[in-house]
Amino acid sequence: AQKITQTQPGMFVQEKEAVTLDCTYDTSDPSYGLFWYKQPSSGEMIFLIYQGSYDQQNATEGRYSLNFQKARKSANLVISASQLGDSAMYFCAMREVDLGTGSYQLTFGKGTKLSVIP
Amino acid sequence: NAGVTQTPKFQVLKTGQSMTLQCAQDMNHEYMSWYRQDPGMGLRLIHYSVGAGITDQGEVPNGYNVSRSTTEDFPLRLLSAAPSQTSVYFCASTPGGLGNEQFFGPGTRLTVL
Repeated sequence: AQKITQTQPGMFVQEKEAVTLDCTYDTSDPSYGLFWYKQPSSGEMIFLIYQGSYDQQNATEGRYSLNFQKARKSANLVISASQLGDSAMYFCAMREVDLGTGSYQLTFGKGTKLSVIP
Repeated sequence: NAGVTQTPKFQVLKTGQSMTLQCAQDMNHEYMSWYRQDPGMGLRLIHYSVGAGITDQGEVPNGYNVSRSTTEDFPLRLLSAAPSQTSVYFCASTPGGLGNEQFFGPGTRLTVL
């Protein structure tokens, strides 16, 4: 079973509108972290936002917010007031702690390509 | 700080050739990783290291070797390149902990003919 599922291969949004990118995850660990990364066409990976499993409030970073629904195991990214520069691939990722190896690796979803229309 | 650096940025190999992708970080991070990115597949973990002298396999380790002799460097070796290894390779590092950002290098685009 996939640990991170992003069901929207591609999305379109009108400039200045808000858009929600979906992410569901699968884990039995009580302690985990959820991340969103942006990858523009230039290829670099840009960290956007983080949500911890024990965080009571939804994370926000400027125009980015994370709609965290723990019972549903979803961690959707909301981008408000979309800009042309938001056109990119967006990846959801989860970090669990491997107590055996002590590692903190990320598992990524397959991504959503967002296109902002002028 | 330079962050995470990778060399080369682009590489073309012939089937059967070997090569090493270099990765270095200057943030004194204990944890380093190699990922490959293929269209429609997201990023998949190849190998990772939790500290100098300690490495382990990720999701797709076949055909790759790593070593970690220093905290700063984490090279990835392709032993005998195959067309299936055509991909974009990312090196990453993190100080550890659930909430710390994983810092990525700029990537290496590898083509195997």
